Amino acid sequence: KAGVTQTPRYLIKTRGQQVTLSCSPISGHRSVSWYQQTPGQGLQFLFEYFSETQRNKGNFPGRFSGRQFSNSRSEMNVSTLELGDSALYLCASSLTLGAKDTQYFGPGTRLTVL
Amino acid sequence: SQQGEEDPQALSIQEGENATMNCSYKTSINNLQWYRQNSGRGLVHLILIRSNEREKHSGRLRVTLDTSKKSSSLLITASRAADTASYFCAYLTGSARQLTFGSGTQLTVLP
Repeated sequence: KAGVTQTPRYLIKTRGQQVTLSCSPISGHRSVSWYQQTPGQGLQFLFEYFSETQRNKGNFPGRFSGRQFSNSRSEMNVSTLELGDSALYLCASSLTLGAKDTQYFGPGTRLTVL
Repeated sequence: SQQGEEDPQALSIQEGENATMNCSYKTSINNLQWYRQNSGRGLVHLILIRSNEREKHSGRLRVTLDTSKKSSSLLITASRAADTASYFCAYLTGSARQLTFGSGTQLTVLP
């Protein structure tokens, strides 16, 4: 099976712009989660989708949003970019995010905001 | 979000030695997973242990879980230079649909 894929792998934007990141989960996985990783804050949860519904959201401002499509692919959007949004954004997929389910991560999208 | 804690923050050992990393958390959990990350890349899943399990093995990896102490440990035996990476624990709680990550341990294995 192909792993979790994320596009693009690298992105450079300027403050005030918006960005859309894409994630394709492992075939058959219906849960997709997004995380932000920074040196200062570590790995922080953004949101989780299952069957096109957002089931949980982390403590991030409304500028961060996401969605999931019927084929389980997911996108996250960040509007009005700030310097502090520079980070590695990781997507993860699992069957259902249940107790037995491993969460598999993609390679990440490195976002740099200038 | 509340993070788990890992210790040590950094560990440097010689090839062939064993490496032990510890993780502590504060809530009841459904499972706990360990991941490896090489230099800012994606997370590679190592092992999952469920809350009703006490120990699991996978190759050179041994994970223990003590739910009474809310702690887990990852042991890597006979370490290799290729094991150099950051290691994270992450736990899934019953109500939250999210993994909460520990702060990570940076392991350096010297040849």
